[in-house]
Amino acid sequence: NAGVTQTPKFRVLKTGQSMTLLCAQDMNHEYMYWYRQDPGMGLRLIHYSVGEGTTAKGEVPDGYNVSRLKKQNFLLGLESAAPSQTSVYFCASSPTSGSDEQFFGPGTRLTVL
Amino acid sequence: GQQVMQIPQYQHVQEGEDFTTYCNSSTTLSNIQWYKQRPGGHPVFLIQLVKSGEVKKQKRLTFQFGEAKKNSSLHITATQTTDVGTYFCAGYAGGTSYGKLTFGQGTILTVHP
Repeated sequence: NAGVTQTPKFRVLKTGQSMTLLCAQDMNHEYMYWYRQDPGMGLRLIHYSVGEGTTAKGEVPDGYNVSRLKKQNFLLGLESAAPSQTSVYFCASSPTSGSDEQFFGPGTRLTVL
Repeated sequence: GQQVMQIPQYQHVQEGEDFTTYCNSSTTLSNIQWYKQRPGGHPVFLIQLVKSGEVKKQKRLTFQFGEAKKNSSLHITATQTTDVGTYFCAGYAGGTSYGKLTFGQGTILTVHP
């Protein structure tokens, strides 16, 4: 099993450009999450999903959109990138409950110029 | 909303010294989890505590959950260079926080040989 994978690993965008980050998990997990990690800020939840076809806002959802059309995939979109969105983005999944342990992907390092 | 505060933000120790990080939640938790992130890596689950006053040990690591289920600690005895990384606590409160964990800011541990 590959676990949780993220594509791409690195990306540089110009302000105003759009992009989609892809997260895939092969563990048949119900719950999936997108976090951003900035120095001194810990992990902040952007959006999450409690099952296929569902999405919900986290702590810092502004400027991002998500979709969970298939159970194994969770997409994070940036419609118009801003320098404030420069960060490391982690995707995670958990089996059947929000209280379960989370399995994290390797991360995507995004720089917005 | 729910907040989880973690202290200290940084800790520098000499190899062989002990290390402790503390976590405090603004609300009562159903459970608390601890994660470790190696430099350049992704968070990896260490343990989950569920019961009031619970103490769990993993080799040199001791985890405690407070009696009121609002605070927790991680203690490492006789640190080694392999302990280097960022340690996060993450609380699950359920209720209005259904489906999601709230992470503390993390404690960055440096171990000098």
